[in-house]
Amino acid sequence: NAGVTQTPKFQVLKTGQSMTLQCAQDMNHEYMSWYRQDPGMGLRLIHYSVGAGITDQGEVPNGYNVSRSTTEDFPLRLLSAAPSQTSVYFCASSYSGAGANVLTFGAGSRLTVL
Amino acid sequence: AQTVTQSQPEMSVQEAETVTLSCTYDTSENNYYLFWYKQPPSRQMILVIRQEAYKQQNATENRFSVNFQKAAKSFSLKISDSQLGDTAMYFCAFMKNPGYSTLTFGKGTMLLVSP
Repeated sequence: NAGVTQTPKFQVLKTGQSMTLQCAQDMNHEYMSWYRQDPGMGLRLIHYSVGAGITDQGEVPNGYNVSRSTTEDFPLRLLSAAPSQTSVYFCASSYSGAGANVLTFGAGSRLTVL
Repeated sequence: AQTVTQSQPEMSVQEAETVTLSCTYDTSENNYYLFWYKQPPSRQMILVIRQEAYKQQNATENRFSVNFQKAAKSFSLKISDSQLGDTAMYFCAFMKNPGYSTLTFGKGTMLLVSP
């Protein structure tokens, strides 16, 4: 049981490049979400999904796209990276209904945009 | 929308001592969950303790306990018998109930436990 797996763990990009942060969970969780962590800012919600085919914006969605074609995967796409997107990114998942308040977090992905 | 405020950017405590981390929040919701997460240098997010708003009894988990004051919208974390392994960033977080399992975090408190 791997839990929530994020790849890559580290990535360096140049301004304007695109990339996808992968998130996969093997717990059959309906809810998945992406957060970014910046120094002195805590974690802030980027996008979330309540099931396959359903996504919605969080607090800081600009510059990011998501899709949820399967229950297991919730990739986060940066179409044109900017230095302001330098951050640590966390993916999380949980059940809906009973147990929905217990999130499982991935190990995080550190992204640097030069 | 809800907000979570942690007014102590850094705190320090000596081993075996007790320390309290503060958290206040603002919401118009009546039912919700509150959490404390620990983030050690490994970067992993670790759930320390959680509180359901409709429960008046304060949650406890071994050396960790909370003081939940719903009317004052306050949710402090007390760590007893502090250990070196408690050194970490601590985040207070809010979750609506029912909701979509999304969290609103405070900015964090860096706790340093010294020998």
